[in-house]
Amino acid sequence: NAGVTQTPKFRILKIGQSMTLQCTQDMNHNYMYWYRQDPGMGLKLIYYSVGAGITDKGEVPNGYNVSRSTTEDFPLRLELAAPSQTSVYFCASSPRLAQDIQYFGPGTRLLVL
Amino acid sequence: AQSVSQHNHHVILSEAASLELGCNYSYGGTVNLFWYVQYPGQHLQLLLKYFSGDPLVKGIKGFEAEFIKSKFSFNLRKPSVQWSDTAEYFCAVRGSNYQLIWGAGTKLIIKP
Repeated sequence: NAGVTQTPKFRILKIGQSMTLQCTQDMNHNYMYWYRQDPGMGLKLIYYSVGAGITDKGEVPNGYNVSRSTTEDFPLRLELAAPSQTSVYFCASSPRLAQDIQYFGPGTRLLVL
Repeated sequence: AQSVSQHNHHVILSEAASLELGCNYSYGGTVNLFWYVQYPGQHLQLLLKYFSGDPLVKGIKGFEAEFIKSKFSFNLRKPSVQWSDTAEYFCAVRGSNYQLIWGAGTKLIIKP
């Protein structure tokens, strides 16, 4: 099992550009999450999904969109990149919501200039 | 709002020293508690968790944590650290809405 994979590892965007951060898991987990981590701060939940076709906002959803057309994939879309979106983005998955641990991808480092 | 506080952002220890990393949370209801670790170049992974029962939980690599409900704390401990424990450690709490609330992390450096 590859677990949770994310691409790209690192990206520089100009203000106003758009991009999609890819996340794939091969563990058949129903639940998937997107977090961002800013320097000196804890992870903040952006969006999560409880299964294909179902997504919901987390703590910091503004400026992002997600979709979940398959169990495996959970892409995160930035439509109009802003410097405030400079961060490290982590994707995670878990079998169930309430009591299961989350399995993380390696992260995507994004710099918006 | 629920929050998690990790007291030390950076800790430097020598090998064989004892470790205690503090974690306090602000939610008064039933909680699930976690410590995750990120070793250099690796993914975040679970170190240990507490859901119910014995408040002293043991995790991988000799780590343990004690849940003290009256102090809203879940401190991580290891009696004798090794160079390979160099990593960033995150405390996380799952409260009423089932979302994880994360601490800011503690970067631990072990000097050989």
